[in-house]
Amino acid sequence: EDKVVQSPLSLVVHEGDTVTLNCSYEVTNFRSLLWYKQEKKAPTFLFMLTSSGIEKKSGRLSSILDKKELFSILNITATQTGDSAVYLCAVEGHSGNTPLVFGKGTRLSVIA
Amino acid sequence: DGGITQSPKYLFRKEGQNVTLSCEQNLNHDAMYWYRQDPGQGLRLIYYSQIVNDFQKGDIAEGYSVSREKKESFPLTVTSAQKNPTAFYLCASSHPGGYNEQFFGPGTRLTVL
Repeated sequence: EDKVVQSPLSLVVHEGDTVTLNCSYEVTNFRSLLWYKQEKKAPTFLFMLTSSGIEKKSGRLSSILDKKELFSILNITATQTGDSAVYLCAVEGHSGNTPLVFGKGTRLSVIA
Repeated sequence: DGGITQSPKYLFRKEGQNVTLSCEQNLNHDAMYWYRQDPGQGLRLIYYSQIVNDFQKGDIAEGYSVSREKKESFPLTVTSAQKNPTAFYLCASSHPGGYNEQFFGPGTRLTVL
C-alpha cells in the first residue's frame, strides 16, 4: 500500500527562522512527488519533483528529492507570518491521472 | 477565468438527509477527484473519475456516491449512510496525460446538525 509520512506534524517558529519539512514515502512505480500549501481553503501547488538531486526553488522556498532514500524536504528560509499554513506532500505512482497519495501535512505557525 | 468551482461554500444538513456537493471545472481536464479533509488527517480520497461516465472508489467511498455525466461536472452526494459526514470536502482535477498536478477547488464545509 502506498504511504506518505510527513514530519513534524506541527511546528512553531519565529519570523526570520529557517525551517525544514520532511516527507518520506513508499509508492509503487514512483512518478512524482508534489508539495502543496494550504492556508484556509484550497491547497495551492508549490513544486513537483521527479528527479533526484535537482533542487526546485521559488523565492524563499526550495525543495529536493532523494529517490534512493525515498524522501523529500521542503525548506523555507527567512520565514514570514504569511508562511503560516499546512504544507502537504503527495506522491504519484503508476501512470498519469491516477490518484495522489497525501500525507497528513505539517502545520507551520510563524510568530512575529 | 479558468478554474474549479465548488458550491456551496458552507452547508448544513440534518441527520438522515442526503446532500449533494457541486464541483465544476472549465480547465478541460479529464480527471476529477473528491477528497475529504478532517483535522489532522490530511486528504483522503473518496472517489475519482478519469473519464466521462466512469469513476472508481477511493479509500473512503462508503456512504458517498458520484456521477460523471459531463466532463466539466463531478457532483458528490453524501448519503444518510455516511456515519460521520461533518468535514471539509475538496474537489480537484488534473490535466490529461503527463504528470498528475492536481488543481483544487475552494472546498465545501459540511456540518451535520
